[in-house]
Amino acid sequence: EPEVTQTPSHQVTQMGQEVILRCVPISNHLYFYWYRQILGQKVEFLVSFYNNEISEKSEIFDDQFSVERPDGSNFTLKIRSTKLEDSAMYFCASSGPDLSQYFGPGTRLLVL
Amino acid sequence: AQRVTQPEKLLSVFKGAPVELKCNYSYSGSPELFWYVQYSRQRLQLLLRHISRESIKGFTADLNKGETSFHLKKPFAQEEDSAMYYCALLEETSGSRLTFGEGTQLTVNP
Repeated sequence: EPEVTQTPSHQVTQMGQEVILRCVPISNHLYFYWYRQILGQKVEFLVSFYNNEISEKSEIFDDQFSVERPDGSNFTLKIRSTKLEDSAMYFCASSGPDLSQYFGPGTRLLVL
Repeated sequence: AQRVTQPEKLLSVFKGAPVELKCNYSYSGSPELFWYVQYSRQRLQLLLRHISRESIKGFTADLNKGETSFHLKKPFAQEEDSAMYYCALLEETSGSRLTFGEGTQLTVNP
């Protein structure tokens, strides 16, 4: 059964550094999402992406964040200058036309 | 504002007992609801979606618009059901975002 994959599984970075989180969505899916979960809190929506552009973003997704689909398979989330409060588990998800979202295993980001 | 509430952070039952995980929502549009399960250190897995009306791993959930609820039920809990369960609402927005509840940690004791 096809699955969403994410790399790396863990990332430790210094405050102010740039990080890129990578995702490979399910191959025939056209809708892509990023969510995050700060430790002890609920899963929160960050951004959705369709047809090579952002279709919606949350108030969390400020100018420090960007997403890109650099090729036919990858979907990336970039944080330009990380802050301590960016430490969280980041989940990528994808869906087909029925909008049932399938999640990757997550990347645990720790900002020191 | 749209909200999903899971009133129980922790729920503990014995194997073979019925289990019900509660989910309530507030949403002005036509609600579309999901349950996700997360086993220890694994990904969020789609368990069921209300429009499909399927029973997955013995779990069912019925959307009650009058009570704005979407409780997850299983008549006989198994130890392997121990996991974190999240209720989520699909919003009719341009980006089809999911709004999640805070989750319920279910423990099924032998």
